[in-house]
Amino acid sequence: DTEVTQTPKHLVMGMTNKKSLKCEQHMGHRAMYWYKQKAKKPPELMFVYSYEKLSINESVPSRFSPECPNSSLLNLHLHALQPEDSALYLCASSQAGTRTYGYTFGSGTRLTVV
Amino acid sequence: AQRVTQPEKLLSVFKGAPVELKCNYSYSGSPELFWYVQYSRQRLQLLLRHISRESIKGFTADLNKGETSFHLKKPFAQEEDSAMYYCALFGRSSTSYGKLTFGQGTILTVHP
Repeated sequence: DTEVTQTPKHLVMGMTNKKSLKCEQHMGHRAMYWYKQKAKKPPELMFVYSYEKLSINESVPSRFSPECPNSSLLNLHLHALQPEDSALYLCASSQAGTRTYGYTFGSGTRLTVV
Repeated sequence: AQRVTQPEKLLSVFKGAPVELKCNYSYSGSPELFWYVQYSRQRLQLLLRHISRESIKGFTADLNKGETSFHLKKPFAQEEDSAMYYCALFGRSSTSYGKLTFGQGTILTVHP
């Protein structure tokens, strides 16, 4: 299995809802990432997990809460989002270590906040 | 701080013409550079990495540390090369784990 799987593919949520995005990989990668991508813009890093521990939080608002329950799974919990949070949320994984051989990206969850 | 600059938002060429997508970077350490491609409605895919010095789909890229550049080249463009191309740099600070930073991207359109 050489893929990163993200669910759901599409999500519409109200500003008072609580929802979660899920990401799964079975490549033995020990580093996992959340990125946010707006239309026609590059992906922007949100969080980095290394060996199931949060390594980098790029000053993301607390309404986004990541979780890494095990080495294969990465979740992003969403609560009280704003319409400007509407975007494509990408999960990625890579080998952990002193250098990287590139990230493998999922196809993303397209989130619309209404 | 690490920064990637792709000066061209849009690049149009005709089929069979050479193509070069420019990428410059700023990083104080030893960089690891990549090219990613995003075809219409498809996921972001790794195209090239500088450490492997490979040619994928006819594309090559050479790291020039003196000019801090990592331009992507192909001698004969094909229509199926039309896509968004991102240059990316993996770097780490002394206080944090490494991270991949993307340039703004170049939309390549190859006309028949």
